[in-house]
Parts: sequence; structure tokens; C-alpha cells
Amino acid sequence: KNQVEQSPQSLIILEGKNCTLQCNYTVSPFSNLRWYKQDTGRGPVSLTIMTFSENTKSNGRYTATLDADTKQSSLHITASQLSDSASYICVVSATNAGKSTFGDGTTLTVKP
Amino acid sequence: DAGVIQSPRHEVTEMGQEVTLRCKPISGHNSLFWYRQTMMRGLELLIYFNNNVPIDDSGMPEDRFSAKMPNASFSTLKIQPSEPRDSAVYFCASRPGTISYEQYFGPGTRLTVT
Repeated sequence: KNQVEQSPQSLIILEGKNCTLQCNYTVSPFSNLRWYKQDTGRGPVSLTIMTFSENTKSNGRYTATLDADTKQSSLHITASQLSDSASYICVVSATNAGKSTFGDGTTLTVKP
Repeated sequence: DAGVIQSPRHEVTEMGQEVTLRCKPISGHNSLFWYRQTMMRGLELLIYFNNNVPIDDSGMPEDRFSAKMPNASFSTLKIQPSEPRDSAVYFCASRPGTISYEQYFGPGTRLTVT
């Protein structure tokens, strides 16, 4: 069964600090992995998209890594800002029929 | 571009009533997705269309749910009759093509069924 597990479930950090969110998956055959940021009351917004051959991808202060062998991904946020407070969702798609499996998300709170 | 447009943004209705949610995808995008999000189950894919044709509706929970895409610029998700357990936020997303993986989400419709 295809599954995506994210950890931690929630995280509180101080403004300016770095943090790393984890995503482990069992989706097969693997097509791509996407990280989304969802602000409260809004739709998810794509941060990064990685395919099998990509190990790392950055989007500003967000850096995602992918280890296709261990089926793990991480999202690293550098120098956090208050506006980073949101839910971060990991989504993994399989090549067959393009179906996506969503993680439950990590809720990040950045405090001043 | 205005992005994906959904209406209404909020809907409160009584159990048993018909509910219709609307979505206008980004112009030029040929894939459209309907999602439901709840605290208990997170984001779930209900159905998706390619070039206005439903490709996978296995996520549609029951026969009470139906979705249509009569043309490239409009889609509806209908619930008839609605039940309290249908209360959720419903998102529509569009994608430029089958090769692109990027999906663009709308702001969502918050549905409350009393």
C-alpha cells in the first residue's frame, strides 16, 4: 500500500532558526515528490518538485532533498521567518496512472 | 492570470440539500483535480480530468458525489443529498499538462452541512 509519513507532526521554533521536516514514503513505482506550503485558510502552494534523478532542489530559503534509495525526503528551512508558519505537505506520485499519495503534513509555528 | 477560481468560498447548508461547487482552472491548463481536506483525513483526491475527460474518480466517496467538466474553463462538484460528514474544505487544482507535475490550487470552498 502506498503511504507517505511525515514527521514531526508539529514543530515550534524561534524566528531566525533553521529546521528540517521529514517525509518517508513507500510509493512505488516512484514518479515525483512535491512539497507544498499551506497557509491557514488557503490552498497549498508548491515549493519544490523532484523526480527520481534529483537529489536536491532549492527555492529561496527552502531546500528539499531526496534519497530515492531509502525513500526519504527532507525539507530544510533556513533562517525562519514568521511567515513560514504554515502546514507543509509532502506528496508522492506513482508513475502508474499518476496517482498521488499525500502526507498528513507538518504544522510549523515560528515564534518571535 | 487570476489563478484557479473557486466559488462559493463558503457554503452553509442543511442536511439533504444539494450543493454545487464551482471551479475555473487557469487558462491553458488541461488537467483539473478536485480534493477534499479534513482534519481527520487530510487532503484526499476525489477526481481528476484530463482534457475535460474524467480519468480517475476512485476517490469519489459515494454516488452522492458527482463531478463534471463541460468545457476547458469550468468544472462543478455536486453533492446530492448533502450530509454533515461532507463538511470539509474542497479544493480545485489545475495543471498545465500531463507532463508537468506542478499543480496550482484554488483558495478552496469551505462547506458546512448542518
